[in-house]
Amino acid sequence: EDKVVQSPLSLVVHEGDTVTLNCSYEVTNFRSLLWYKQEKKAPTFLFMLTSSGIEKKSGRLSSILDKKELFSILNITATQTGDSAVYLCAAGNMLTFGGGTRLMVKP
Amino acid sequence: GAGVSQSPRYKVAKRGQDVALRCDPISGHVSLFWYQQALGQGPEFLTYFQNEAQLDKSGLPSDRFFAERPEGSVSTLKIQRTQQEDSAVYLCASSPTGGAASYLYGYTFGSGTRLTVV
Repeated sequence: EDKVVQSPLSLVVHEGDTVTLNCSYEVTNFRSLLWYKQEKKAPTFLFMLTSSGIEKKSGRLSSILDKKELFSILNITATQTGDSAVYLCAAGNMLTFGGGTRLMVKP
Repeated sequence: GAGVSQSPRYKVAKRGQDVALRCDPISGHVSLFWYQQALGQGPEFLTYFQNEAQLDKSGLPSDRFFAERPEGSVSTLKIQRTQQEDSAVYLCASSPTGGAASYLYGYTFGSGTRLTVV
């Protein structure tokens, strides 16, 4: 059975802090790992990672995949209150999601 | 359409009632997925369509759940004889390609339908 685990479950930081969110996976048919941000209802796409060691970057967000150790991290630098959300990662057939990391950024 | 549209946004059903949830994917998208997201948890896969064909329904929790996509565009998720444990947000997602290639393009999610069974 495919399994995706995220840590920490929740995180409270202050504006300007840097955070690292973790995602480990065990899936039978790996093609890609995806990160999503969920603020209200619709998860919005952040990154798709298919190759190890290649960092993907978008503004203050970046992510990298380690296919040997079966994990990915999502970094957010200089956090802002607008970064407050649940961050989801997913992998495997039909996308198995982790439980998410709830990030709260305080002013 | 510009995005994935789901309706209704909210649905309150009495236990035992049947409900139908609608998903309008992005026009031309081949793949369509349904997920169930309980409060405080990540989405869980329910079923997958490639055009009108339902290729995977392994995530449907019981035979009370039924999904269709008869013309390969709009999809309906039907839940018969709703139970309290069916209360969740039901998310629909679509992808422009089918099969293995769908993973390469990511999925666009709708805003979901929040179902509350009382």
